[in-house]
This record gives sequence, C-alpha cells and structure tokens, in this order.
Amino acid sequence: AQSVTQLDSHVSVSEGTPVLLRCNYSSSYSPSLFWYVQHPNKGLQLLLKYTSAATLVKGINGFEAEFKKSETSFHLTKPSAHMSDAAEYFCVVSDRISGGYNKLIFGAGTRLAVHP
Amino acid sequence: NAGVTQTPKFRVLKTGQSMTLLCAQDMNHEYMYWYRQDPGMGLRLIHYSVGEGTTAKGEVPDGYNVSRLKKQNFLLGLESAAPSQTSVYFCASSYSGGPDTQYFGPGTRLTVL
Repeated sequence: AQSVTQLDSHVSVSEGTPVLLRCNYSSSYSPSLFWYVQHPNKGLQLLLKYTSAATLVKGINGFEAEFKKSETSFHLTKPSAHMSDAAEYFCVVSDRISGGYNKLIFGAGTRLAVHP
Repeated sequence: NAGVTQTPKFRVLKTGQSMTLLCAQDMNHEYMYWYRQDPGMGLRLIHYSVGEGTTAKGEVPDGYNVSRLKKQNFLLGLESAAPSQTSVYFCASSYSGGPDTQYFGPGTRLTVL
C-alpha cells in the first residue's frame, strides 16, 4: 500500500527567505503525487501534481516540487516566502484500488508560519 | 460556477442525534468523496461514489451512511452521533477516478457534545 510521510509538522520562516517542506513517499509502483494547501478555515486547494512527466513540477504562487525516485521524496519549495503563504500543506499520494479507482492518501500536514 | 459547496458550515449536535451533510458540485464530475479531518491525521476517506446511484466505503466508514441519488449531490448521514465524530468534514469531487485533481468544498465543522 502507498503511504506518505511529512517530515515536519511545523515550519517557521521569515518573509523573503526560502521555504522547504519535506515529504517522503512509499510506493510499489510509479506514483502520482500532489501538494495541497489549506488556508485557515478554508477548503483544500491544489498547488501542483506529478504524474510521471517532468520530475520538476511547477505549481501556483511560485511553488515547485521535485520528484526524486532514488530518494522517494517529493519536497515542496519556494524561493521567497510571502506572508500569504502561511497555511497548512499536505503531501498526497495516489493509490490504485480495485475497479481502476485511485484513492488519495494524505500526509499529516505541515503548518507553515511566515514571520515579518 | 460555484465549484463544490457544502451545507451547513457549522453544526453542534448532542450525542445520539442525527443529521445530514449536503455536498453539491456543478462541474459535472462523476466521482465524489467525503473526508474527515482531525488534528495531526491529515484527511481520511469516509465514503466515495463513482457515479449516480453508487457508493463505496473508504477508510473510516463506521457510523456514517451516504447516498448519491443525483449526480451533482452527495449526502453524508450520521444516524446516531457520537463525540468521536467531532471533526471537520470535507466533500470533494473529480472528473475521473484516476490520479486526477480532486476539488474540495469549504468544509463543515461538526461538534458532538
């Protein structure tokens, strides 16, 4: 079965500094991977997804993630944090189950705080 | 185009009461899902539907029932609420069942006393 581990439950950065949110996955085949963001009291919004095309995936709001098969990682990065990036971020892996349906498996989340 | 909407946004129940959460999507998606979100646990799938008239169990289905009588609506029912069902509930939909983007509603915060 697939699984995903977010290595940090909380990350704190200063505005204008780089962001790194770490995610490792476990998969018995080539996975599809996603990053979702959840702002306070809001639903989840897709940031980016990897589905076996280019290993460096660019998303919205300047975020990107690199798929590294050898390290089973899919870390999320952004060169310069903005106050509006403060939110919870979820790394997600897609798991195939019966009938061709793919179930999303969520990590526990990383809460990003951005300080002035 | 409203996307995915959920009703109600907040609800407080007493143990043993029942209620229904409504999810509606206007994107003509075939697949719909109900998740619960608890602190430190990410989202867990309760039930899902691969089309009108069909439903299936997810990871944590006990204590919940669902119905998909119309393609655009997916209802989540709690027959006899328990404090362990205090959570934030999210509905989502997707065009296909493959590794497809799921679109989420804004959530329903439920407290069971």
